[in-house]
Amino acid sequence: RKEVEQDPGPFNVPEGATVAFNCTYSNSASQSFFWYRQDCRKEPKLLMSVYSSGNEDGRFTAQLNRASQYISLLIRDSKLSDSATYLCVVNHPNAGKSTFGDGTTLTVKP
Amino acid sequence: GAVVSQHPSRVICKSGTSVKIECRSLDFQATTMFWYRQFPKKSLMLMATSNEGSKATYEQGVEKDKFLINHASLTLSTLTVTSAHPEDSSFYICSARDRLTSGATDTQYFGPGTRLTVL
Repeated sequence: RKEVEQDPGPFNVPEGATVAFNCTYSNSASQSFFWYRQDCRKEPKLLMSVYSSGNEDGRFTAQLNRASQYISLLIRDSKLSDSATYLCVVNHPNAGKSTFGDGTTLTVKP
Repeated sequence: GAVVSQHPSRVICKSGTSVKIECRSLDFQATTMFWYRQFPKKSLMLMATSNEGSKATYEQGVEKDKFLINHASLTLSTLTVTSAHPEDSSFYICSARDRLTSGATDTQYFGPGTRLTVL
């Protein structure tokens, strides 16, 4: 079983749609969680951190469920520019490294 | 935000040659840098963790004699792919962790990546 698992998609949605991505992790000792966005042939860029209380940044909402070891990202009112691959990242401070999910590909169409 | 640079951005070389990739943190000090490789339509795979002033920690299955890592200063880490072969062709990305903000919620800042093609 992979340490971090994501639904690879692809998710093809029309502009204005709401879309949700899920991510599960296997290491219960994981302490910090992030969503990154990666455009084709570019490096990943931090989209947002994920906190236990849930957090929102504009159209993006991230949630963490430690009991179920589950992270989610919700995108509302999708824009064409949201088309990208979204990577779920789990940090293990004791090991000093991060584990990336394989990513979920989103295509927003006009 | 924090900036990490990589050089070169693209390199094409013949099989058997060695290629050096530099990763620099431009506006912060990084005690830890990470080297990843990414194959097409796959996620980033951690190759090694580079700690300033000490030996790198390699992930299982990564040959340390083939992928030489040097982290000589708080702002520079290098990855040398020795005797490169076509199967080493990949997108190599480094990331750096800000020394001053490292902790449970720290984030990594990624370089723009180096696309290596070995003929």
